[in-house]
Amino acid sequence: GAVVSQHPSWVICKSGTSVKIECRSLDFQATTMFWYRQFPKQSLMLMATSNEGSKATYEQGVEKDKFLINHASLTLSTLTVTSAHPEDSSFYICSAVTNYGYTFGSGTRLTVV
Amino acid sequence: TQLLEQSPQFLSIQEGENLTVYCNSSSVFSSLQWYRQEPGEGPVLLVTVVTGGEVKKLKRLTFQFGDARKDSSLHITAAQPGDTGLYLCAGGTSYGKLTFGQGTILTVHP
Repeated sequence: GAVVSQHPSWVICKSGTSVKIECRSLDFQATTMFWYRQFPKQSLMLMATSNEGSKATYEQGVEKDKFLINHASLTLSTLTVTSAHPEDSSFYICSAVTNYGYTFGSGTRLTVV
Repeated sequence: TQLLEQSPQFLSIQEGENLTVYCNSSSVFSSLQWYRQEPGEGPVLLVTVVTGGEVKKLKRLTFQFGDARKDSSLHITAAQPGDTGLYLCAGGTSYGKLTFGQGTILTVHP
């Protein structure tokens, strides 16, 4: 089956710094990658949709300058949280559409201190 | 905006009991999926239903898709502690986005 590898699994950073999260499609080409945010005991909230070679589409209320998405190749999409603040602490998950349906990464737990 | 109302949000039951989780919407979805998520991990797909009225069984789990493709249910028979987790329904659209329900946190006590 299709696998999306997400790294890092967890990261702790200081306020004001930037953090990059990577999602790689290991055995397929991901034309589209979805990025979600999830707070404890809550559901997934779609942040943005990234398309290879074009600008990402952000959901309403998501700051595009704060959450930078790059999808430069068919196997790699990245989410950079810029100038992170404690309120950005959350679980971030990527997902790609494959021939088997939607495949999710294992998530990244971001803690901003 | 398409919304999926999932209920109940929390469910705490004893081992051996049955339970049902519901997902309802005023919108029609091209497909509806059910996921189970463990803490610190991504969601894992349980089933996809695409045809109105469809019923799928996965061991002790039974999934139904409403005739109008606006609602779905997940029924678990004889729940076990290993069924504990966050259950999510998600509606698919023709343009690829998934709309998630609020999730149901299920706890099965031994």
